[in-house]
Amino acid sequence: GAGVSQSPSNKVTEKGKDVELRCDPISGHTALYWYRQSLGQGLEFLIYFQGNSAPDKSGLPSDRFSAERTGGSVSTLTIQRTQQEDSAVYLCASSLYGTSNTGELFFGEGSRLTVL
Amino acid sequence: KQEVTQIPAALSVPEGENLVLNCSFTDSAIYNLQWFRQDPGKGLTSLLLIQSSQREQTSGRLNASLDKSSGRSTLYIAASQPGDSATYLCAVEDQAGTALIFGKGTTLSVSS
Repeated sequence: GAGVSQSPSNKVTEKGKDVELRCDPISGHTALYWYRQSLGQGLEFLIYFQGNSAPDKSGLPSDRFSAERTGGSVSTLTIQRTQQEDSAVYLCASSLYGTSNTGELFFGEGSRLTVL
Repeated sequence: KQEVTQIPAALSVPEGENLVLNCSFTDSAIYNLQWFRQDPGKGLTSLLLIQSSQREQTSGRLNASLDKSSGRSTLYIAASQPGDSATYLCAVEDQAGTALIFGKGTTLSVSS
């Protein structure tokens, strides 16, 4: 596609439910990032995929969070047993280069998650 | 640990003014620095990317400078317009990690 695509754009769920957020990066981009943006806060790094290498999961806040990237393209971020503090906008970004100095980052519109 | 700070947190100016947004970072070992724009409820749009070997980049009315040794970058916006109203974020890709590290942004309001 022309840009990074994320779905759903909005998700309201009840505390304790599992949610899946999807990111479709720009075709050919080898690097993919997930960030979280909470109200009034900066962007918090969650996880980074680079080509076929093992992902950098150092930003995941708890073991309830996990992410996959299938076939080097689409990525899914899964949050299990959601809590109210998980409410945030989850942003996905991709970049052409798969090594350090990844260059310009392109972001999707984000998935807004609200946990009641 | 790299930290990125943006000052001021918010800025209001009348249309036509030139303005400067500031970004500072604590570790000068970076690959690059990017400035982004975020409109309310939207994702981030990349404005300018400065590689560590560069001193500045220009795009239209925007000019970004980088002084790596002092850990500072500025975004200069010339002849501001109401359409420039948004939150501006800077981010560095440092050599110690894999992710861009963001500041909290400066929210700009340009009144007509």
